[in-house]
Amino acid sequence: GIQVEQSPPDLILQEGANSTLRCNFSDSVNNLQWFHQNPWGQLINLFYIPSGTKQNGRLSATTVATERYSLLYISSSQTTDSGVYFCAVPGNTPLVFGKGTRLSVIA
Amino acid sequence: DAGVIQSPRHEVTEMGQEVTLRCKPISGHNSLFWYRQTMMRGLELLIYFNNNVPIDDSGMPEDRFSAKMPNASFSTLKIQPSEPRDSAVYFCASSPGWNQPQHFGDGTRLSIL
Repeated sequence: GIQVEQSPPDLILQEGANSTLRCNFSDSVNNLQWFHQNPWGQLINLFYIPSGTKQNGRLSATTVATERYSLLYISSSQTTDSGVYFCAVPGNTPLVFGKGTRLSVIA
Repeated sequence: DAGVIQSPRHEVTEMGQEVTLRCKPISGHNSLFWYRQTMMRGLELLIYFNNNVPIDDSGMPEDRFSAKMPNASFSTLKIQPSEPRDSAVYFCASSPGWNQPQHFGDGTRLSIL
């Protein structure tokens, strides 16, 4: 089945710093979602981005489907950005999740 | 608009007991998904429904697990009998169609003693 790899696995940032999270996938896809799991365990939709670039406030995402990767940019990070960021793509099930990037933003 | 609603939020019970988790999808969504999240295995799809019909239950770990969707606004995931290794967070998600963005409920944190 499709493999989804996220990097880095862990990231610690000072508040105000920028970061880039990466998601590589092993096969072509027509769907990709980014989620944020906050410290309370809630899974929040960030982006549905099969291709191209989208922006939502301080967050933006770019998917280059032909090269099988997606990037999530976080600018001017805040402590509320802490949590785990997952990307997910279709595979042998409608969504196959990566293992996530755990982000800690410290004041 | 209300999101996906799951109940209970937390459940603690003794092994051997029956556990029933409930989910109300977003109105108008045709697809419903049940996931389990553990530290060891991450997020795993257990089963999903399209228009109330189970499409793929290959992720259901054992016959002790069963899921139903009697109508478009309600689904249950049942474990009988429960075992300590079933302890996990169980999420329900819904989407307008099976290949469209999924929206997750807040999850049920299940502890089997």
